Amino acid sequence: EAQVTQNPRYLITVTGKKLTVTCSQNMNHEYMSWYRQDPGLGLRQIYYSMNVEVTDKGDVPEGYKVSRKEKRNFPLILESPSPNQTSLYFCASSFLLQKSTDTQYFGPGTRLTVL
Amino acid sequence: QKEVEQNSGPLSVPEGAIASLNCTYSDRVSQSFFWYRQYSGKSPELIMSIYSNGDKEDGRFTAQLNKASQYVSLLIRDSQPSDSATYLCASRGSSASKIIFGSGTRLSIRP
Repeated sequence: EAQVTQNPRYLITVTGKKLTVTCSQNMNHEYMSWYRQDPGLGLRQIYYSMNVEVTDKGDVPEGYKVSRKEKRNFPLILESPSPNQTSLYFCASSFLLQKSTDTQYFGPGTRLTVL
Repeated sequence: QKEVEQNSGPLSVPEGAIASLNCTYSDRVSQSFFWYRQYSGKSPELIMSIYSNGDKEDGRFTAQLNKASQYVSLLIRDSQPSDSATYLCASRGSSASKIIFGSGTRLSIRP
């Protein structure tokens, strides 16, 4: 089954404790992206990657890191989480957005609470 | 100005009626437009995409695009309670590297 998976689905942590949210896709997609979703603000892009070892900042990258060592995986790293990073996080993937039909498929989401 | 704008709602529509959701975008070179449905706490799910001016129909859903007015809409015919969700409008702009989302319209279908 074609899918995007994220782990963990729910996480409660404390300020300053490093954490990693994993994302994996099995569709051989080149493009992967992380979003956060907050009430009234919609989906905001954190980082994206257009291929292995190619990553770039989205609209709200501060406080986050990513890596793309393999095509299928795109982990999101919070080196020193703060309460303002409490949010619902989505990973998404797609083929490169070059054809008009290309769009993104989303993982199930990770609800993160930073105390 | 947000690049993709939607009325946040809530939009309340009686069961069986037509629900009309609207979206405007600011990037004139946007090529593709998408409607996603998102149930509370769940991930967005693509329901319609449109690339050319005019209407595109898929079952009970019709997407409408007017590039001159920079306007996209989604019509849902014979609205059902299961259509109650937040609908996200998105555009693929001049940069092929990203899709830009509106903040969503919350739709409520009342029995």
